[in-house]
Amino acid sequence: QVQLQESGPGLVKPSETLSLTCTVSGGSINSYFWSWIRQPPGKGLEWIGYVYHSGSTNYNPSLKSRVTISVDTSRKRVSLNLNAVTAADTALYYCASLLCSTTSCAFDSWGQGTLVTVSS
Amino acid sequence: QSALTQPPSVSGSPGQSVTISCSGTSSDVGSYNRVSWYQQPPGTAPKLMIYEVSNRPSGVPDRFSGSKSGNTASLTISGLQAEDEADYYCCFYTTSSTLVFGGGTKLTVL
Repeated sequence: QVQLQESGPGLVKPSETLSLTCTVSGGSINSYFWSWIRQPPGKGLEWIGYVYHSGSTNYNPSLKSRVTISVDTSRKRVSLNLNAVTAADTALYYCASLLCSTTSCAFDSWGQGTLVTVSS
Repeated sequence: QSALTQPPSVSGSPGQSVTISCSGTSSDVGSYNRVSWYQQPPGTAPKLMIYEVSNRPSGVPDRFSGSKSGNTASLTISGLQAEDEADYYCCFYTTSSTLVFGGGTKLTVL
């Protein structure tokens, strides 16, 4: 399994852009889809989106207008940008590898998560 | 996206079996074996326990099993242990190639 480490600012101001990076180690970045998932304090998991090593993406329809996920295969990094943030975007943000078969996908490795608070 | 419904909480005593349900519709869970389950102990990241309804990744104890009946997928934990106390989430890979999580179930070991 790969190891994943999220990094980025822990505090973002309302209306600004949240930017996080996930560094991949211990495996090939070409073998998986790379996904972001978030968890507001005390609440459940919400899938944000994923990117393939080719750069193709898919996003949660509820966040699609504000999200961009990209991959830098040479540096083995996956990035998340979420713009126009509000307090509702305060959450623990996880990076996860999404392993897909011909019929289904599952998140088989997760980072430890990074807490992002939206506040002025 | 379609919602997956889980009970907010379940409980059981050590050694007992518990089952956590994940209800969808005939268009999603009922038609495809695309359900995965995740365990999240307090303060830790989720961990994959079951994929494609009933398959266990290597390293997951065989006390954990998955099944499906109609529009409902289920995770059963037999021989309950104190370390099984955690939040459990189901997840479905949709026909639009998106993913949706259930609301989560808190398992308490009495």
